Amino acid sequence: ETGVTQTPRHLVMGMTNKKSLKCEQHLGHNAMYWYKQSAKKPLELMFVYNFKEQTENNSVPSRFSPECPNSSHLFLHLHTLQPEDSALYLCASSQEVRRIYGYTFGSGTRLTVV
Amino acid sequence: GQQLNQSPQSMFIQEGEDVSMNCTSSSIFNTWLWYKQDPGEGPVLLIALYKAGELTSNGRLTAQFGITRKDSFLNISASIPSDVGIYFCAGQTDAGNMLTFGGGTRLMVKP
Repeated sequence: ETGVTQTPRHLVMGMTNKKSLKCEQHLGHNAMYWYKQSAKKPLELMFVYNFKEQTENNSVPSRFSPECPNSSHLFLHLHTLQPEDSALYLCASSQEVRRIYGYTFGSGTRLTVV
Repeated sequence: GQQLNQSPQSMFIQEGEDVSMNCTSSSIFNTWLWYKQDPGEGPVLLIALYKAGELTSNGRLTAQFGITRKDSFLNISASIPSDVGIYFCAGQTDAGNMLTFGGGTRLMVKP
């Protein structure tokens, strides 16, 4: 248990479905991140939130919609996804964006789009 | 943008052997981190390096922050089956910038 919890661990959804991924951290961190991990590709940063404010959107398609209601929770809302969006989605947190003590990652949500 | 070239991409070794992997960049980094990802899990921080030339150990793992600040090395001594996984390097240029991750080294250990 890393202190960053992601649910669900596995998700299968159709291209017309709407689903949400949830991330919760109990570390008192102020920055939270969404990463996409596809096979044979480096980790891709998607979104960054610092003190609940979105500070980075790495050219992510609008079918991915993040939400950060408070510093402990982060959501990724999914709609009309494509099969190529199938990947491991990782949430991470850190003390704050401007200082690096290393990111703490959750276990990820394995997403399959059919 | 910055890129980290991590090598080798994969290694298949015999239990008990030592392992070396490295990350190089054309940019200078002020922080280097090494993570390990077990199958089906997220990456876990192994070692953090904050100073050029720094050599830091964590059990059988030893990592070095290259003197040029453009590279870092991770060594694993006397590998065991539970060392299997993907090892990632990550670097940060200045405070306020995001981590840049390498492509990972997939390690497989034969008992």
